[in-house]
Amino acid sequence: DAGVTQSPTHLIKTRGQHVTLRCSPISGHKSVSWYQQVLGQGPQFIFQYYEKEERGRGNFPDRFSARQFPNYSSELNVNALLLGDSALYLCASSLSAGGIGIDYEQYFGPGTRLTVT
Amino acid sequence: DAKTTQPPSMDCAEGRAANLPCNHSTISGNEYVYWYRQIHSQGPQYIIHGLKNNETNEMASLIITEDRKSSTLILPHATLRDTAVYYCIVRVLSGNTPLVFGKGTRLSVIA
Repeated sequence: DAGVTQSPTHLIKTRGQHVTLRCSPISGHKSVSWYQQVLGQGPQFIFQYYEKEERGRGNFPDRFSARQFPNYSSELNVNALLLGDSALYLCASSLSAGGIGIDYEQYFGPGTRLTVT
Repeated sequence: DAKTTQPPSMDCAEGRAANLPCNHSTISGNEYVYWYRQIHSQGPQYIIHGLKNNETNEMASLIITEDRKSSTLILPHATLRDTAVYYCIVRVLSGNTPLVFGKGTRLSVIA
């Protein structure tokens, strides 16, 4: 079975532009999370979506937004790009969102490398 | 912010056991210790997690001290393919709680 897939693999944008990153979860997985990984740092949580609803949001500005589609795929949008948005953007999927006392393994995709110039 | 402290880097000879330490002195009673690793150019991969008892799976063993303030991930027979950044994370057992990564330990397995 295919793992988590992300597109594009790499892209280069200019400051002020907008970008859309895409993620397809593992078949049967209904929860998708997004993480940003700046060079030399660990991944930082941006969003979690489950059944098309936002379940969690990290400490990121409103320029960052996301959505989940009926087929559970997801998009991450970033407006008014800054140089500091250059990073590896990771998508992770899990079977469900879980709850207190219930957790599901998160499977990460290979990421999209965004460079802002 | 990450609630764990790990050494920035470690070396291990191929075929030997790799012991990766993690300090989590402020861990709460309901928080588990998770380990993930990230091989170059890939997304993080789950390894193992535990609450207070030692845990073992096909990838590794997790040893948690009795006071739960520190733990050690053990790769029993390290191979070159185990070269990666290893992250120790403490979190409640809940799918609604995001993973909070620190900088991790960069393990280099040397032939």
